[in-house]
Amino acid sequence: NAGVTQTPKFRILKIGQSMTLQCAQDMNHNYMYWYRQDPGMGLKLIYYSVGAGITDKGEVPNGYNVSRSTTEDFPLRLELAAPSQTSVYFCASSYSRGQGYEQYFGPGTRLTVT
Amino acid sequence: GENVEQHPSTLSVQEGDSAVIKCTYSDSASNYFPWYKQELGKRPQLIIDIRSNVGEKKDQRIAVTLNKTAKHFSLHITETQPEDSAVYFCAASMGVTDKLIFGTGTRLQVFP
Repeated sequence: NAGVTQTPKFRILKIGQSMTLQCAQDMNHNYMYWYRQDPGMGLKLIYYSVGAGITDKGEVPNGYNVSRSTTEDFPLRLELAAPSQTSVYFCASSYSRGQGYEQYFGPGTRLTVT
Repeated sequence: GENVEQHPSTLSVQEGDSAVIKCTYSDSASNYFPWYKQELGKRPQLIIDIRSNVGEKKDQRIAVTLNKTAKHFSLHITETQPEDSAVYFCAASMGVTDKLIFGTGTRLQVFP
């Protein structure tokens, strides 16, 4: 199994540009998550999904959108990029019944907005 | 809102010594408390977790304790080794959901 994969690894965006961060998992996990990690900080939840077709906001959803059309894929869309969105983005997945199970993280995407 | 506080932010120990990292959480409904280790430039990886119906859990040199009354939990690493050097994050579930609130991390340095 490849686990959780993310593309791209690195990206530089200009202010106002848009992009989609890709995330896929091959573990048949029902839950998927997007986090951002600013330098020297913990992870903040942006959006999460409990299954195909179901998404919900986390702590810091402004400026982002998500979709979940399949169990495997959970792309994160940035519209009108701003310098405040410079961060490392991690996707994660878990098999969960709502009682807390291990979240497996992808390798991350380092995004710089200038 | 819900938050998790983590202390200390940095911790330096000599190889062989013990290290303790402490976290407090605000949501009394939280029921799942994982600890993640993140090496420089890498992804976070789960090292141990505990659920609210358990007071202590141990896995070789790593242990976690939970005090639900006081709403705090701690990570204990014994006989530290240089390869334990990393940033450690605690987290608490948002209520009984699978969403996690992370602490701000502790940078542990183990000197040979």
